[in-house]
Amino acid sequence: DTAVSQTPKYLVTQMGNDKSIKCEQNLGHDTMYWYKQDSKKFLKIMFSYNNKELIINETVPNRFSPKSPDKAHLNLHINSLELGDSAVYFCASSQIAGPYEQYFGPGTRLTVT
Amino acid sequence: RKEVEQDPGPFNVPEGATVAFNCTYSNSASQSFFWYRQDCRKEPKLLMSVYSSGNEDGRFTAQLNRASQYISLLIRDSKLSDSATYLCVVLDYKLSFGAGTTVTVRA
Repeated sequence: DTAVSQTPKYLVTQMGNDKSIKCEQNLGHDTMYWYKQDSKKFLKIMFSYNNKELIINETVPNRFSPKSPDKAHLNLHINSLELGDSAVYFCASSQIAGPYEQYFGPGTRLTVT
Repeated sequence: RKEVEQDPGPFNVPEGATVAFNCTYSNSASQSFFWYRQDCRKEPKLLMSVYSSGNEDGRFTAQLNRASQYISLLIRDSKLSDSATYLCVVLDYKLSFGAGTTVTVRA
C-alpha cells in the first residue's frame, strides 16, 4: 500500500548511457516533483508537474527530461549520463492548494561509473 | 546566500537530554515552514509543520520568528530513535530544503 513508489531502487550504469526512473503516487495528489540529493546530502528540486503540466524547472541540464503521462506518474529520463549525475533521486507528491507537505518516494540511488 | 541555512552539527547528546537547533531563511515572503526528518539512506518524512505561534507535538517543539527569519526545533527527553538528520524546509513558490542538522542520541 505504498504511497509514493519509485523504480528502480538502485541503478548502476556507465557514462554515456541513457536511463529512466519511474515514479507513481496513489495519494490522489495533483503535483509531483523530482529532487536530487548529492553526496553532501543537500536536497535540491529539479522539476515539478501539476496536473501533467511543468510548473517548476530549476537549472537542470537538458539531458534530464521529465515526463508526466498523468497526474499519478512522473518519470525522469537522463541522456548521456555523466559521473556528476551520481546521486539519490527522490520523487515526491503533494496537493498544490494545500496542505503543502510533500510525501517522498524511497529514492533511486544512481551510480555512474 | 543560501535560501535556507542550518547548523550541520552533529549534535551528539545522551538519552534524556534536550537538544535544540535553528535554521535561517532568506526570503521574508516565505509562507510555510516545516521540519522534516531523514534517516540514513531513507527518504525525508514530515516531522511537523511550524506555525506562527509555535507548536508542540509530543517531545518536539517548533518556533517561528518572522522578524529574525529563523525557525527552531527543540527535542525534549531525547530517545535513541531520535537520531537522524533534521531538515528545515521553507515554502515560497517551491519547497527549499536546508542541508540538514544531524542529531545523534547515545545511550
